[in-house]
Amino acid sequence: DGGITQSPKYLFRKEGQNVTLSCEQNLNHDAMYWYRQDPGQGLRLIYYSQIVNDFQKGDIAEGYSVSREKKESFPLTVTSAQKNPTAFYLCASSIVSGGSYEQYFGPGTRLTVT
Amino acid sequence: QQQVKQSPQSLIVQKGGISIINCAYENTAFDYFPWYQQFPGKGPALLIAIRPDVSEKKEGRFTISFNKSAKQFSLHIMDSQPGDSATYFCAASMRGSNYKLTFGKGTLLTVNP
Repeated sequence: DGGITQSPKYLFRKEGQNVTLSCEQNLNHDAMYWYRQDPGQGLRLIYYSQIVNDFQKGDIAEGYSVSREKKESFPLTVTSAQKNPTAFYLCASSIVSGGSYEQYFGPGTRLTVT
Repeated sequence: QQQVKQSPQSLIVQKGGISIINCAYENTAFDYFPWYQQFPGKGPALLIAIRPDVSEKKEGRFTISFNKSAKQFSLHIMDSQPGDSATYFCAASMRGSNYKLTFGKGTLLTVNP
């Protein structure tokens, strides 16, 4: 089956610890995105990458870091510098040619930091 | 600055009724307007999308109406069903934005049986 895999579904961490969220896609999409979702806030873009070894900050990148060493993988690290890390994190991917804007989303990871 | 404003925040409709969710945008450079549907604990899924060269697009019970002059677009769900109960997000994107989507804050739709 083609799609986007995010793991784990639920993640618990203590305050002050860094944590890495996994995102893998087998859709052969060039672009990948990380969003954060909070109740009543919609989806806010954290980081995105259009090509391997290149990525750009989104609207709320502070306290987060990413890497794009392989086309199919785009892990997100939530660092201890992120002041309010508890949220639902969504990874997405898309084609970046032919004027196509459609993004496909993974099932999400719910991170709880206490 | 929120570039896509979505209303209402929540909506309750009786089974068989019409659900209407509205979005307004500010940036006239936007040229792609999708609607996503999200069930609890799941990722959003594309429902239907429109480009500004048409005023309406229909797919089954779902219709997007687009008003370019008013910079507004809306989602109509005809014959709403309890299975349509979900959160709906409008979004917008434009050429030159690296294909980024700007999302509205979402509408929680509840369809009562």
